[in-house]
Amino acid sequence: DTEVTQTPKHLVMGMTNKKSLKCEQHMGHRAMYWYKQKAKKPPELMFVYSYEKLSINESVPSRFSPECPNSSLLNLHLHALQPEDSALYLCASSQAHGSSTDTQYFGPGTRLTVL
Amino acid sequence: GIQVEQSPPDLILQEGANSTLRCNFSDSVNNLQWFHQNPWGQLINLFYIPSGTKQNGRLSATTVATERYSLLYISSSQTTDSGVYFCAVEYGNKLVFGAGTILRVKS
Repeated sequence: DTEVTQTPKHLVMGMTNKKSLKCEQHMGHRAMYWYKQKAKKPPELMFVYSYEKLSINESVPSRFSPECPNSSLLNLHLHALQPEDSALYLCASSQAHGSSTDTQYFGPGTRLTVL
Repeated sequence: GIQVEQSPPDLILQEGANSTLRCNFSDSVNNLQWFHQNPWGQLINLFYIPSGTKQNGRLSATTVATERYSLLYISSSQTTDSGVYFCAVEYGNKLVFGAGTILRVKS
């Protein structure tokens, strides 16, 4: 099973709302990632978790707060977002971060609209 | 940082035609992946190919690491091949994506 699942598929939220995105994988991978993708652009890395610890934060604003409760789950908590944060948020996982033979597998994404 | 350039940026094909997509990168990399992003946003792994040639059905890919480029070949294209094709290289423990090639296959 090479599946990464993400919920919800779509999310509309106001600037004062608090919401969470969820990502799950059952491939035994020890690295999980959040990416942000704006329309007609490539995905941009936000966070990397390796063995449930945050190992890379690409200077993401604090209104985005990642959490890795266990090796299969990755959450992204959202608070006080701006309309420019509207994007497709992609989760990915891989066997081990930084391995030269690593392949990342992506979930279907959550399409977020901030009003 | 590394530069990853893909060409062409856009491509329109008639169903059944063949095409070659190119990815150039400016420094040595640990790995290279090709992805297809379908119209619904799902990124699908096509190839993990740091060097050499691989084939999977109508698709094949070749990476010449010493010359810092990779090619993705699509033969007998189908409308379901439409979407965006990204190459991504592992550099500094991060996956760095090119800007993509938008492919539209017309029936």
